[in-house]
Amino acid sequence: GAGVSQSPSNKVTEKGKDVELRCDPISGHTALYWYRQSLGQGLEFLIYFQGNSAPDKSGLPSDRFSAERTGGSVSTLTIQRTQQEDSAVYLCASSPDPKGIQYFGAGTRLSVL
Amino acid sequence: GENVEQHPSTLSVQEGDSAVIKCTYSDSASNYFPWYKQELGKRPQLIIDIRSNVGEKKDQRIAVTLNKTAKHFSLHITETQPEDSAVYFCAASMGNAGNMLTFGGGTRLMVKP
Repeated sequence: GAGVSQSPSNKVTEKGKDVELRCDPISGHTALYWYRQSLGQGLEFLIYFQGNSAPDKSGLPSDRFSAERTGGSVSTLTIQRTQQEDSAVYLCASSPDPKGIQYFGAGTRLSVL
Repeated sequence: GENVEQHPSTLSVQEGDSAVIKCTYSDSASNYFPWYKQELGKRPQLIIDIRSNVGEKKDQRIAVTLNKTAKHFSLHITETQPEDSAVYFCAASMGNAGNMLTFGGGTRLMVKP
């Protein structure tokens, strides 16, 4: 079946602009995670959604970052007033349950000029 | 919070040799340890994982060992092949309400034919 889908695959924006990144998880997966991968580094947890529960936002680096998940499926990560240090690959992962294996999307490469 | 250290950052081996990547973690409550392989420009893919109730797990040429007392775990790849060349990430989580992964910094493995 289809894997985790992310769009756009690449996004170039100017400093100060807002961006929205989209994640379509695997159908039926209740858990959804956002991670950030800076150049040459490991993945950094940002936010976690499980079903209809309140999300765990403990990894968000600043209040410019927010995310929502509509109808327990598609998720959107929004970055307001982008800064150059926001440049990274943003990866989404989904899992069939809170303790299950995480399947990653191909990511969105964000470049802030 | 959890901290995962991974070594070495780069590893070059001859085809057919073995490769070992080591990780240490800080939080004794962590109980789930996956390993992901990421080829250039591709999404991270799970290659093997281990939970804290076992000390070793094997899958063909890949094995993972876990030492809970010392809080370290290792990935072993035997009979390496050029297609094993990639960046490998270890991760740890507490696997309870939400499986947020804390990743190591990655190891770039190069297998020379």
